[in-house]
Amino acid sequence: GENVEQHPSTLSVQEGDSAVIKCTYSDSASNYFPWYKQELGKRPQLIIDIRSNVGEKKDQRIAVTLNKTAKHFSLHITETQPEDSAVYFCAAGFDNYGQNFVFGPGTRLSVLP
Amino acid sequence: DAGVTQSPTHLIKTRGQQVTLRCSPISGHKSVSWYQQVLGQGPQFIFQYYEKEERGRGNFPDRFSARQFPNYSSELNVNALLLGDSALYLCASSFSPTGVDSRNQPQHFGDGTRLSIL
Repeated sequence: GENVEQHPSTLSVQEGDSAVIKCTYSDSASNYFPWYKQELGKRPQLIIDIRSNVGEKKDQRIAVTLNKTAKHFSLHITETQPEDSAVYFCAAGFDNYGQNFVFGPGTRLSVLP
Repeated sequence: DAGVTQSPTHLIKTRGQQVTLRCSPISGHKSVSWYQQVLGQGPQFIFQYYEKEERGRGNFPDRFSARQFPNYSSELNVNALLLGDSALYLCASSFSPTGVDSRNQPQHFGDGTRLSIL
């Protein structure tokens, strides 16, 4: 089955700096890669996703890149703000009339003012 | 529009008991998935249902079961509760329209049910 690794487990950056979180996956059949942000005690919230037919996607300060050959994908956050502090999860999976995801273990991002 | 709603929000049970958790998807969403999130870890996939049929099952024992109703709401049942079942149980729904390529539709999570086993 699918296995997703995520690094680093914790990340501290100064406000205004960039943050990069990297994930690798094992199943070449996976074709959908979402990223979720989870604040303490709250639900995971989808922040960006990428399909396997696309190499890069950007939404304002957030971007995701995908390398299918190497089976890895990364989240890039630019101009970080204190409200970006949260746990970020990557996931990989494929659609079967819905989603069947394997999540990474998470990265705790702290943005220091 | 209302998001994914789950009930109850918190639940305390003792070992050996049974529990039923409920989920109402976003209106129009036909696919529902269940995840278990242990403190400090990522969500672990338990089940996925689409049009009342099980479409996926994670690596969980048979004590875990689920079903989806005609209105697309869903229940997760756990029998013979163990201390290790203590976790946040998350439900997520996605839009999978009939007859249309429904692949890779975004999945939206509810707030979860926090289950504590004493």
